[in-house]
Amino acid sequence: AQSVSQHNHHVILSEAASLELGCNYSYGGTVNLFWYVQYPGQHLQLLLKYFSGDPLVKGIKGFEAEFIKSKFSFNLRKPSVQWSDTAEYFCAVRKGGSYIPTFGRGTSLIVHP
Amino acid sequence: DAGITQSPRYKITETGRQVTLMCHQTWSHSYMFWYRQDLGHGLRLIYYSAAADITDKGEVPDGYVVSRSKTENFPLTLESATRSQTSVYFCASSEGLAGEQYFGPGTRLTVT
Repeated sequence: AQSVSQHNHHVILSEAASLELGCNYSYGGTVNLFWYVQYPGQHLQLLLKYFSGDPLVKGIKGFEAEFIKSKFSFNLRKPSVQWSDTAEYFCAVRKGGSYIPTFGRGTSLIVHP
Repeated sequence: DAGITQSPRYKITETGRQVTLMCHQTWSHSYMFWYRQDLGHGLRLIYYSAAADITDKGEVPDGYVVSRSKTENFPLTLESATRSQTSVYFCASSEGLAGEQYFGPGTRLTVT
């Protein structure tokens, strides 16, 4: 069965620090990749997605992610975090041809002002 | 307003009672999903549906029932609620292969 691993369960940073959240998956075929964010008390919202093309994907709020096929990874990055980035971040992977994504367990990010 | 809505937003019920959580979307998306979110487990898929009258089990379906008589509605029923079903429940919809999922605001359910 396909699995999605988010290695960092809890990350604490100060404002202006750089962020990288890891996401690895186990499926070897064509994949669609997503990062979702869940702000405190809110529902999940899409940050960015990768279907094909340029493996470096730009999302909202200054986030980006890089798809490295050889490493089965789709890490999320932001060069300088803000207090408002405090949230739960979920990586999701969908096999090509399927409409059902598999979610990672999430990473809780706390940014101190 | 267009979008995906869930009701109720908060619910407290007793063990053994039947509870139905409602989900409604206005996009006419074919695909709909129910997840539960628990600390340490992330999002777990309960049931999903590819179209009206087509539903299938996800990762944690036991104790839940779904129906989808209309494209826009996807209610989730807990037939006899248990304390282990205390959770936050999210409904989502998608266009399927072409797009991402859109999530509802969630229902926080407490079973006492």
